[in-house]
Amino acid sequence: DAGVTQSPTHLIKTRGQQVTLRCSPKSGHDTVSWYQQALGQGPQFIFQYYEEEERQRGNFPDRFSGHQFPNYSSELNVNALLLGDSALYLCASSLDLNGYTFGSGTRLTVV
Amino acid sequence: AQKVTQAQTEISVVEKEDVTLDCVYETRDTTYYLFWYKQPPSGELVFLIRRNSFDEQNEISGRYSWNFQKSTSSFNFTITASQVVDSAVYFCALSEAVETSGSRLTFGEGTQLTVNP
Repeated sequence: DAGVTQSPTHLIKTRGQQVTLRCSPKSGHDTVSWYQQALGQGPQFIFQYYEEEERQRGNFPDRFSGHQFPNYSSELNVNALLLGDSALYLCASSLDLNGYTFGSGTRLTVV
Repeated sequence: AQKVTQAQTEISVVEKEDVTLDCVYETRDTTYYLFWYKQPPSGELVFLIRRNSFDEQNEISGRYSWNFQKSTSSFNFTITASQVVDSAVYFCALSEAVETSGSRLTFGEGTQLTVNP
């Protein structure tokens, strides 16, 4: 049973560019959450998608947006990239309060 | 607002020593969940335990044990007879309890544990 799959694993972008990160949830999970983890810090909640709608949002600017597809997979989009957006982006899927399963993340470097 | 504090940034021990990782939390919710995750260098967060705020029983799983004390808002994690493979960053996290499928997790800053041979 595949866990949470994220792509790409690594990415280098230039300031001002836009990026799209992808997440396939664990089989049977219907909720996808995204977290940003800066180097040496704990993950910070970006937003959560359920039934193709954004259900909760953390303290992140509108440059961060997302989408959930009918098959429950999800995308995270970041526009107008800043150097400070460099981080590990983690996707987590869940079905109930027991089931937060994390992917290995996408390492984004903005230069 | 919810907050999780892991005061120990780094801990270094020698193999076979016992080590305790501290976690203190703040929340206004009466019902909540507490978690511990392990993050190896690969980056994936590995689930270790979830504890409901109404269940203050301590739990033991092999070499791992957890001490939940609601009176002091602490949820400490002890590794007995540590091994080199335990080296990782450990995160304590808190979430509100909701009826739907999952709520946001609030993480601490993490504790880097290094177990030396």
